[in-house]
Amino acid sequence: GAVVSQHPSWVICKSGTSVKIECRSLDFQATTMFWYRQFPKQSLMLMATSNEGSKATYEQGVEKDKFLINHASLTLSTLTVTSAHPEDSSFYICSARGQGDGFYEQYFGPGTRLTVT
Amino acid sequence: GQNIDQPTEMTATEGAIVQINCTYQTSGFNGLFWYQQHAGEAPTFLSYNVLDGLEEKGRFSSFLSRSKGYSYLLLKELQMKDSASYLCAVRDSNYQLIWGAGTKLIIKP
Repeated sequence: GAVVSQHPSWVICKSGTSVKIECRSLDFQATTMFWYRQFPKQSLMLMATSNEGSKATYEQGVEKDKFLINHASLTLSTLTVTSAHPEDSSFYICSARGQGDGFYEQYFGPGTRLTVT
Repeated sequence: GQNIDQPTEMTATEGAIVQINCTYQTSGFNGLFWYQQHAGEAPTFLSYNVLDGLEEKGRFSSFLSRSKGYSYLLLKELQMKDSASYLCAVRDSNYQLIWGAGTKLIIKP
């Protein structure tokens, strides 16, 4: 099956610093990648959708200058949380969707738990 | 607006059967997904329905009625490891996934 990896799996950073999270599709080409955020006991919240080689499309209320997304290749997307604050502490999950007819499923990475102190 | 409704929490007994319902109102429909999510982990894919009817996969089955905007996930022979949140998601006309808040399933011995 399709595998999506994320790195790091958890990170603790100080307020004001930036953190980069990588999302890789290991055995398929991901034309579209999605970034989600999930607070405790809440459902997934889509932050942005990125297509390879294009600028990401951000959901309403998500600051694109704060959450920088780069999808430079068909197997890698990165999310950089700039000037992180404690309220950015959350579980960040990426998912990827491949290309081709019938490819209907999104495959999720294992998630990255970010704690900002 | 778009809306996905599912119960917040359900409790069932090990070995029993449980049905988790999901109703939706979305702009367009291009399939309904069920995902399982254990605490602190990412969701894992369980099932996909795009046509009306029942899809069976081992102990898990998923049903869809597009005319009623309704789906359910049926879990049989419940095991303790089935304790998790179950997320219903509908893909809309823009091929975006609209997520329900999830149903926390508690399995008791």
